Amino acid sequence: QSALTQPASVSGSPGQSITISCTGTSSDVGGYNYVSWYQQHPGKAPKLMIYEVSNRPSGVPDRFSGSKSGNTASLTISGLQAEDEADYYCSSYTSSSPVFGGGTKLTVL
Amino acid sequence: QLQLQESGPGLVKPSETLSLTCTVSGGSISSSSYYWGWIRQPPGKGLEWIGSIYYSGSTYYNPSLKSRVTISVDTSKNQFSLKLSSVTAADTAVYYCARLGYNWNDAMWYWGQGTLVTVSS
Repeated sequence: QSALTQPASVSGSPGQSITISCTGTSSDVGGYNYVSWYQQHPGKAPKLMIYEVSNRPSGVPDRFSGSKSGNTASLTISGLQAEDEADYYCSSYTSSSPVFGGGTKLTVL
Repeated sequence: QLQLQESGPGLVKPSETLSLTCTVSGGSISSSSYYWGWIRQPPGKGLEWIGSIYYSGSTYYNPSLKSRVTISVDTSKNQFSLKLSSVTAADTAVYYCARLGYNWNDAMWYWGQGTLVTVSS
């Protein structure tokens, strides 16, 4: 059982927007502004897409955005593209160890 | 461009020690203020942080693995290593090394390609 809760799957059509939620507690997501999001294509290493809740590393399209409200963080992908189909994981800083969500499979219909 | 590459045996027997090395190129482990870490992913499952290390040798471990994990650094070779003792089938996973940010539990900015380690007799 993962420390952070994500939906197992989400889907959307090209051009649409989707949002993936990541729910934790006041000891992780709600307690710190250190939530990150990773994209993982099959057989590949994860790639950092969002750090510190809403910041994008250089090279990540601005179609990807992050936010947080209380104990829930969210990743929104606008203008869905076929290459966005992947698994997405959230992660949060805690005082004892970084913790991850169980992952969400994004299907682009 | 920073690159990380894991290396080590792909098959380990139960009760033995898993040993992996991460070689960093395109940057120096000791000339930056970043942390370096290990993360694993069992087949078909999610990610689990194993531990982090600073170039000075300061280490931080996942409490659930702490009794079995040792992470070390060799700045002369620009490498850091993972040892996991008393392995069982539950330790079968793809093991990734990564460069974190400025804190030991920060985001993972750069990742190696990963190496599958299978625990089996």
